[in-house]
Amino acid sequence: ETGVTQSPTHLIKTRGQQVTLRCSSQSGHNTVSWYQQALGQGPQFIFQYYREEENGRGNFPPRFSGLQFPNYSSELNVNALELDDSALYLCASSPGPEETQYFGPGTRLLVL
Amino acid sequence: SQELEQSPQSLIVQEGKNLTINCTSSKTLYGLYWYKQKYGEGLIFLMMLQKGGEEKSHEKITAKLDEKKQQSSLHITASQPSHAGIYLCGADYVSQKLVFGQGTRLTINP
Repeated sequence: ETGVTQSPTHLIKTRGQQVTLRCSSQSGHNTVSWYQQALGQGPQFIFQYYREEENGRGNFPPRFSGLQFPNYSSELNVNALELDDSALYLCASSPGPEETQYFGPGTRLLVL
Repeated sequence: SQELEQSPQSLIVQEGKNLTINCTSSKTLYGLYWYKQKYGEGLIFLMMLQKGGEEKSHEKITAKLDEKKQQSSLHITASQPSHAGIYLCGADYVSQKLVFGQGTRLTINP
């Protein structure tokens, strides 16, 4: 158990819709990172939040956005869903930006 | 091309046998992480290596980072069914924005 939880576990949406995925970090971890993992691939970095501010972003379009809250929870929002957004979305928390990341179980998103 | 290449992509071994998974980087690593993933689930942290020549062990799993810090290996001794899963190496090139390899799927046959 990593102490990192994610909700929901599974989600089905249609193309063009919007989705919000949630993550609850370990207590005391002020950094959260989000990753997208397509089937058969390694996770790809979306962005990182540190103390409620974005602290780096991967090669993802602006329709991927995030929020981090003071209570160690965070959100990943995706607008205008596309079929290629179907993937496992992982959040990872760490005590700081330079420290080991601990992953949640993921949310599997299917876009039809 | 991938910044981080893992080999092999899949591996099937008999229970009790030893095995090695390799992770090669196209540039110098500041930190190299090994994670294990059960199919469709989250990643479990195994080990982190930072210094060239560093070697760490946990139970029957040993990971090494070569002197030039561009390659790491994960070695499992006397494999067990519980070792089955997907092993991922992740490189810390820029301040914890981890770049992952494509993973190695390990199957243990009884």
